Amino acid sequence: DIQMTQSPSTLSASVGDRVTITCRASQSISRWLAWYQQKPGKAPKLLIYEASRLESGVPSRFSGSGSGTEFTLTISSLQPDDFATYFCQQYNTYLFTFGPGTKVDIK
Amino acid sequence: EVQLLDSGGGLVQPGGSLRLSCAASGFSFSTSTMTWVRQAPGKGLEWVSSISGNSGTTYYADSVKGRFTISRDNSKNTLYLQMNSLRAEDTATYYCAKTISGSYGIANYWGQGTRVTVSS
Repeated sequence: DIQMTQSPSTLSASVGDRVTITCRASQSISRWLAWYQQKPGKAPKLLIYEASRLESGVPSRFSGSGSGTEFTLTISSLQPDDFATYFCQQYNTYLFTFGPGTKVDIK
Repeated sequence: EVQLLDSGGGLVQPGGSLRLSCAASGFSFSTSTMTWVRQAPGKGLEWVSSISGNSGTTYYADSVKGRFTISRDNSKNTLYLQMNSLRAEDTATYYCAKTISGSYGIANYWGQGTRVTVSS
C-alpha cells in the first residue's frame, strides 16, 4: 500500500504569509495527487487534483506542484478564510490514501 | 446545483449492521462515480469505497472489505453503504461524495456527513 506523509503537522502563520505544505508518497504516484481543505465540522473541499490542476472556483492563490513522490501545496498570500486543515490524497492506485493532514492556524 | 444528502447514521452495537444512504440531485447521477469517505472523531480522512455509475466496478478499503457493501439505485438517485459486523473502529462521520470525471477516488462534491457510533 502507498503511504502518505505530510509536513509540517501544524503550521502557524499570519494573514498575508506565503505558506507551503509538503506531501510525500512512499512510492511514485506520478502526478496522481489531490489536495483538500477542511474546516471544523465541515466536509472537505477539493482544491487541486493531478498535482497542479486547480478545481473550478478555487482562488488562484492556491497552487500545487510536484511529481513522483514529493508534492507541495502553496498558498501565496494567506487569507483569513484559509485557516483550516489540509489533506493530500493519492489516486495512483485504487486504495486512495490520504495524508494525515496539516493544520494551518493563526500565529 | 449539486446536492448530496447523507443519512442513516446512528448508534449501533458492535457486531451490528447499519445502512447509510445518500440522496443525490443536480447532476447526472447514473453516469457519475460515487465514493464514501469516513473520518473518525478528531482524526484524518479515510477512503472507504467507490462505485462506478453502472455499478459494474466497486472498490473497497482493506479495513472494510468483506463487511461493507456499496451499491446504488440510479432510478432513485441514491447511493448506499451497507455496513455489517461493525466494530468500534468503524465509529466515524461518513461522507458520500461525487468523484471527478474519470476518477474513482477524487471527490469534488460532498454530502454533509452522517455520524456512526459503534458502542455497547
